[in-house]
Amino acid sequence: QKEVEQDPGPLSVPEGAIVSLNCTYSNSAFQYFMWYRQYSRKGPELLMYTYSSGNKEDGRFTAQVDKSSKYISLFIRDSQPSDSATYLCAMQLFQGAQKLVFGQGTRLTINP
Amino acid sequence: DADVTQTPRNRITKTGKRIMLECSQTKGHDRMYWYRQDPGLGLRLIYYSFDVKDINKGEISDGYSVSRQAQAKFSLSLESAIPNQTALYFCATSGGLSEETQYFGPGTRLLVL
Repeated sequence: QKEVEQDPGPLSVPEGAIVSLNCTYSNSAFQYFMWYRQYSRKGPELLMYTYSSGNKEDGRFTAQVDKSSKYISLFIRDSQPSDSATYLCAMQLFQGAQKLVFGQGTRLTINP
Repeated sequence: DADVTQTPRNRITKTGKRIMLECSQTKGHDRMYWYRQDPGLGLRLIYYSFDVKDINKGEISDGYSVSRQAQAKFSLSLESAIPNQTALYFCATSGGLSEETQYFGPGTRLLVL
């Protein structure tokens, strides 16, 4: 069993839709949770970072963590074609830990 | 200019050849990492270095070696390339006030024939 599971998609939705991306994990020791966005032919870039259960908002993006269920989500409101990318969840045991465990990534396409 | 650069961006090589991928950063970070990305497998850590004298194996280090020539430079070598090392390779750095954030280079696309 992989430590982090993420549905690879692909996921295709119309512009303006609410998008939900999800990851589950098996190691309850993970404390820090991130979402990276990766455009085609580019390296991943950090989108959101959180360490507590609950929601964290940043503009149209909301990261949700449920440690009791070992489940994290990223919601995108009012999705735009420019949001089309691969989204990777990632987790750390502690802040600054050398090991960042990634999900497989979900390829998202927002259709105009 | 990009903070994390990788050379070459694309490379085709043959089985058995030695190849080096290079990474440079201008962010002043102490920590540097090498990952490979394969479809359906996400990013997996090959090697990491927390400073010039510190080199550590990641989860998939077999068949790879690294060299940390300076704080800003971290090279990955494939001593004898094999086809299943065909992948997208990323260098990343972290440090400063936000150690949890890793900054990735643009990647090197490697094809081993």
